Amino acid sequence: AQTVTQSQPEMSVQEAETVTLSCTYDTSESDYYLFWYKQPPSRQMILVIRQEAYKQQNATENRFSVNFQKAAKSFSLKISDSQLGDAAMYFCAYRSSSGGSNYKLTFGKGTLLTVNP
Amino acid sequence: DSGVTQTPKHLITATGQRVTLRCSPRSGDLSVYWYQQSLDQGLQFLIQYYNGEERAKGNILERFSAQQFPDLHSELNLSSLELGDSALYFCASSQMDGRLTDTQYFGPGTRLTVL
Repeated sequence: AQTVTQSQPEMSVQEAETVTLSCTYDTSESDYYLFWYKQPPSRQMILVIRQEAYKQQNATENRFSVNFQKAAKSFSLKISDSQLGDAAMYFCAYRSSSGGSNYKLTFGKGTLLTVNP
Repeated sequence: DSGVTQTPKHLITATGQRVTLRCSPRSGDLSVYWYQQSLDQGLQFLIQYYNGEERAKGNILERFSAQQFPDLHSELNLSSLELGDSALYFCASSQMDGRLTDTQYFGPGTRLTVL
C-alpha cells in the first residue's frame, strides 16, 4: 500500500517570502499522480497543484511550484511571495494511475502553514 | 466554489442514531468519492462510486453504507453512531472518463458531531 509522509507538522513564513513544504511517499508503482491540496480555516479542500509522475518537468501554478524527485520519492511544494491568504493546512496526496477502480487519494497528515505579516 | 455540493453543513446527533449525508457532484462528473477527516485518523478514503456502481472500498465501517443514484447524487448513511464517528465528511467528484489526468474536486464537507 502506498503511504505519504509529511514530516513538518507546522511551518511559518514571513509575508512576501518563500517557503517549502516537504512530502515523501512510498510506492512500488512507476506511474502515479501527486497532488497538493490546501485546507484553509473554512475547511474546504482546494486543489493547489498536480504532478504526473511520467513528466520530468516540475509543475507550476503561479506562485506555487513543486520539486518532484522521482528516484527519491520526494514531492515538495514551494510557495513564493507568500501572502496572508496562503495560511492553511496543506496536504500532499498520492493517486495511483493503474486504472480500474484504484483512483482513491492517499493523504499525508498535513502541514499547518502560518504566514506572519 | 468547486461545484460539488454537500448537505447538511453541520449535523449534531446522539450515539446510536442514524444519519444520511448527501452529495451532488460537479456537472459532468460520473464518479463520487467519500472521505472522512478526523483528528486521530487524518483524511481517509471511505468508498467510491462510478455511474451508480460501487468501484472501490477503503476503511469504511460495516455500520456505514453509501449509494449513488441515477441522477448521480450520492448518499452516505451512518448508523449506530458512536462518539468516534464525529468527523468532517467530504465528498469529492471526478469525471473518471479514463483520462489519466482525472482530478478530484471536493465539496465543502459535512461536520458530524455525535454526542
